[in-house]
Amino acid sequence: SQQGEEDPQALSIQEGENATMNCSYKTSINNLQWYRQNSGRGLVHLILIRSNEREKHSGRLRVTLDTSKKSSSLLITASRAADTASYFCATAAYNQGGKLIFGQGTELSVKP
Amino acid sequence: DAGVIQSPRHEVTEMGQEVTLRCKPISGHDYLFWYRQTMMRGLELLIYFNNNVPIDDSGMPEDRFSAKMPNASFSTLKIQPSEPRDSAVYFCASSLGRLDSTDTQYFGPGTRLTVL
Repeated sequence: SQQGEEDPQALSIQEGENATMNCSYKTSINNLQWYRQNSGRGLVHLILIRSNEREKHSGRLRVTLDTSKKSSSLLITASRAADTASYFCATAAYNQGGKLIFGQGTELSVKP
Repeated sequence: DAGVIQSPRHEVTEMGQEVTLRCKPISGHDYLFWYRQTMMRGLELLIYFNNNVPIDDSGMPEDRFSAKMPNASFSTLKIQPSEPRDSAVYFCASSLGRLDSTDTQYFGPGTRLTVL
């Protein structure tokens, strides 16, 4: 079964607003990663948070992790039209043999 | 580094034909992954290799699909015979594969396959 499940499936906001996407997973993890996919392109790694971390920042990105609730959120502040893309969470665990389990993704549309 | 390289970028073929997709991972990466992405099914892991050895092929849809990694710098995904339902974007990704380096995967640009 799919490890990561994301919500919302689609999100539409205005430029300058903040965008929040959530990810839930089912089993213990070593780390959780977020990826972005622009239309017609491959996925690009954005940020990683380890299981012993609760929050991490990278530029306009803020990721939180709650291992007790098995959930994570990705916040993009002051969104731009160029942030329009699909965003995926992915989990890594010791028993996954080096592979990541990806969620279904959130499609973000930022309108200028 | 040029990143993960895939070829061809686009492939249009007729049902029943053999299709071969190619991937060159990032040099030094120990893991190579093949994914398929469709609107209906999302991103699916088909197979992955560690040090050129297939580790998990449970995602390969059926015997028509096969994958090889003859050396550390090259992998192929073959579909024979192809069917219209195989139409999708196929991604190759590679990673260092060490959990202490986070298993970050680097994706290629994908091959868009259309089977008529």
